[in-house]
Amino acid sequence: QSVLTQPPSVSAAPGQKVTISCSGSSSDIGNNYVSWYQQLPGTAPKLLIYDNNKRPSGISDRFSGSKSGASATLGITGLQTGDEADYYCGTWDSSLDAGVFGGGTKLTVL
Amino acid sequence: EVQLVQSGAEVRKPGETLKISCRGSGYSYSTYWIAWVRQMPGKGLEWMGIVYPRDSETRYSPSFKGQVTISVDNSVNTAYLQWSSLKASDTAIYYCARRRSGFLRGFFQYLDVWGKGTTVTVSS
Repeated sequence: QSVLTQPPSVSAAPGQKVTISCSGSSSDIGNNYVSWYQQLPGTAPKLLIYDNNKRPSGISDRFSGSKSGASATLGITGLQTGDEADYYCGTWDSSLDAGVFGGGTKLTVL
Repeated sequence: EVQLVQSGAEVRKPGETLKISCRGSGYSYSTYWIAWVRQMPGKGLEWMGIVYPRDSETRYSPSFKGQVTISVDNSVNTAYLQWSSLKASDTAIYYCARRRSGFLRGFFQYLDVWGKGTTVTVSS
């Protein structure tokens, strides 16, 4: 059971927009910054978003992040088939004194 | 180029020992934490623990404390993850990643550079 809660799957058509939620508590998301990772099939995870809403160099502006209270959201616009992947949120849990991830969300681009 | 290079796939029997490695290059190795992350077959990411190369400080997730040992050799820019007695449930891909962290208006941490992973298979 992951500390952070994500929907197991989301889907949308090419060109559409999708959002992925990540729900936590005051000991994790509520008081710390959130990051998001994309894991394409058979590859290592890659950092997509850090500090709630910042994109590393080279990450498309089709990806965005936001946070409100103890929840965070990843948004992807202009969906492409190449976006099909697993997406994970992550943060620090102050009560565990450890990092935590969400359970992951599988994105299908129909 | 900043990169983390992990050791190759391993196959072991239950009860055996194992030590896998993660060598960093292209950056000031001693000043960034290294994290270890587990991914069991068909499952999600699990944060195992971190090590700070400069002083070898380690921190473990409660789920992994006492189950594995994380260490580092700063002289060869390499972090390690080891087991003293493997179990079949240790079968997984293990990733190392460079951790960025600090405090702004809250604590931030994220993993910005990842190794390709080391597949560990434990089977009799």
